[in-house]
Order: sequence, then structure tokens, then C-alpha cells
Amino acid sequence: AQTVTQSQPEMSVQEAETVTLSCTYDTSESDYYLFWYKQPPSRQMILVIRQEAYKQQNATENRFSVNFQKAAKSFSLKISDSQLGDAAMYFCAYRSAEKETSGSRLTFGEGTQLTVNP
Amino acid sequence: DAMVIQNPRYQVTQFGKPVTLSCSQTLNHNVMYWYQQKSSQAPKLLFHYYDKDFNNEADTPDNFQSRRPNTSFCFLDIRSPGLGDAAMYLCATSRKRTSGTRTDTQYFGPGTRLTVL
Repeated sequence: AQTVTQSQPEMSVQEAETVTLSCTYDTSESDYYLFWYKQPPSRQMILVIRQEAYKQQNATENRFSVNFQKAAKSFSLKISDSQLGDAAMYFCAYRSAEKETSGSRLTFGEGTQLTVNP
Repeated sequence: DAMVIQNPRYQVTQFGKPVTLSCSQTLNHNVMYWYQQKSSQAPKLLFHYYDKDFNNEADTPDNFQSRRPNTSFCFLDIRSPGLGDAAMYLCATSRKRTSGTRTDTQYFGPGTRLTVL
């Protein structure tokens, strides 16, 4: 079974600074997806960025980028120029791509609560 | 805009009184999921529908049932809610894998916060 670990329960960053959230995962599969979701106080789960394991290039979405290290099974999220609206719980998630029905499950980490200080 | 809608946003029920939560989607996605999320925890998958095929997680209590009458709607029924069932319930959807495509991203609704008195 796959596991996802976020070792930082809480992180804080000053507005306009850069912060990196850590995520590691354990899997024996070679084909999978990785995601970062953001969950603000409203509890709406919002997709931040995704990475397909077969792609070597790190995904980027505006101020959000990842450092995907497949061999190390590491998938960290970097938030540049942090804004007050970035404050939220961030979940790292894994999804298998190898088997469609059994692979439908998202395996989440425990989350990192990010505080942005003005 | 295409989206995932959950009704109601807040639901209060009494201990043991059946309750139904609703999810609809305009994304025309084939796969729909129900997650339970308790405070300060990660979402936990209860079950999902792959088209009309129901897939239950092994540790989902029998108290939780689901119905999917058509592509757009999916319901979560809690037959006899207990205090431990108070949580946020999240519905999500994703595309079905077809030849040449890969299903990947799950899109979430805003959730229904269930309170059990």
C-alpha cells in the first residue's frame, strides 16, 4: 500500500517570502500522479499543482512549483512571493495510474498548516 | 462554470436519524467519490462510483450507503448517524480513463458539514 508523509504539521512564512513544504511517499509502482491540494478555512479542497511520475520536468503553476525527486520519492512544494491568501492547510496526495479502478483512490498526507504573516 | 456542487452546505441531524447528503456535477465526469474528513485530519475515502459500478472501501462502516441515479448526481446516505459521524463530507469527481487519455485530477465540491446532536 502507498503511504504519504508530510513531516511538517505547521509552517509559517512572511508575506512576499518563499516557503517550501515537504512531502515524501512510499510506493512500489512506477506510474502514478502526485498532487498538492490547498484547503483554506472554507474547507474547499482546491488543486494547486499536479505532477505525472513519468515526466521528469518539475511542474509549475505561477508562484507554485514542485521539486519532484522520483528516486528519492520526494515531492516538495515551493510557494514564491507568499500572499495572505496562501494561508491554508496543504495536503500532498498520491494516486496510482496503473490500475484504473483500484487506482482511483487518492492517498493523502496528514497536511501542513501554512500561516502567512503580514 | 463547470463545477461540483454539494447540498446542503451545513446539515444538522439527531442521533440515529437518517440523513442524506447530495452531490451534483456539471463536469460530465464518470467517476464520483465520497470522502469523510474529520477536524485536523486528511480526507478519508468512503467509496466511489466508476460509472454505475460501486466501489466500497474495506473499512467503510455499513452505516454509510451511496446511490448514483445518473451521471450528474450522487447521494451519501447515513442510516443511523452516531456522534462519531460528525464531520465534513467531501464529494469529488474525475474523468474516466479511455483509450489515449488518463484520468488523474479529482475536483472537489465545497463539502457538507454534518453535525450530529
